[in-house]
Amino acid sequence: DAGVTQSPTHLIKTRGQQVTLRCSPKSGHDTVSWYQQALGQGPQFIFQYYEEEERQRGNFPDRFSGHQFPNYSSELNVNALLLGDSALYLCASSLGENSPLHFGNGTRLTVT
Amino acid sequence: QKEVEQNSGPLSVPEGAIASLNCTYSDRGSQSFFWYRQYSGKSPELIMFIYSNGDKEDGRFTAQLNKASQYVSLLIRDSQPSDSATYLCAVRQTYKYIFGTGTRLKVLA
Repeated sequence: DAGVTQSPTHLIKTRGQQVTLRCSPKSGHDTVSWYQQALGQGPQFIFQYYEEEERQRGNFPDRFSGHQFPNYSSELNVNALLLGDSALYLCASSLGENSPLHFGNGTRLTVT
Repeated sequence: QKEVEQNSGPLSVPEGAIASLNCTYSDRGSQSFFWYRQYSGKSPELIMFIYSNGDKEDGRFTAQLNKASQYVSLLIRDSQPSDSATYLCAVRQTYKYIFGTGTRLKVLA
């Protein structure tokens, strides 16, 4: 039973560039959430996708956008990268709104 | 006041002892509570979840919830060096989880 998979595992970008992170949910899960975790902090909610729609969004600027595909996989896009966007980006999946989140291994983004 | 508060630690306990990790939350309407373990450089791993007042046990782990006091705790019995990690408390608000900053646990062999 495949868990949540994310790609790539590491990424180095330059300020002003754009990045796309990818996520495949755990088998049987239909909901994907994205979180940002800065060093020494807890994960911060970016947004959640369900039925290919953004269902809820956290306090992140419009530079952060996403998409969910019919097979439930998801992408996170960040435009105009800032140094402060350097973090671990976590994708989590769940079945509906009441089951617990299961996290992927994350993508470590470094912006130089 | 932070929405979910945890003592950052480190909390040091000897091997075989009980580790007690605590978390308080500010939204009295919260219904679902979660504990995640995160090893250094890794992603969070679900340990326990609890929805009702009282205790919930799973192996060496016990989650305790007191909604009146807005307090959630995690007890780890017979602590092992492999339990050394950061433990994140999370509270669900609608569709998002609010995480604390985590408590670093060190189990000393």
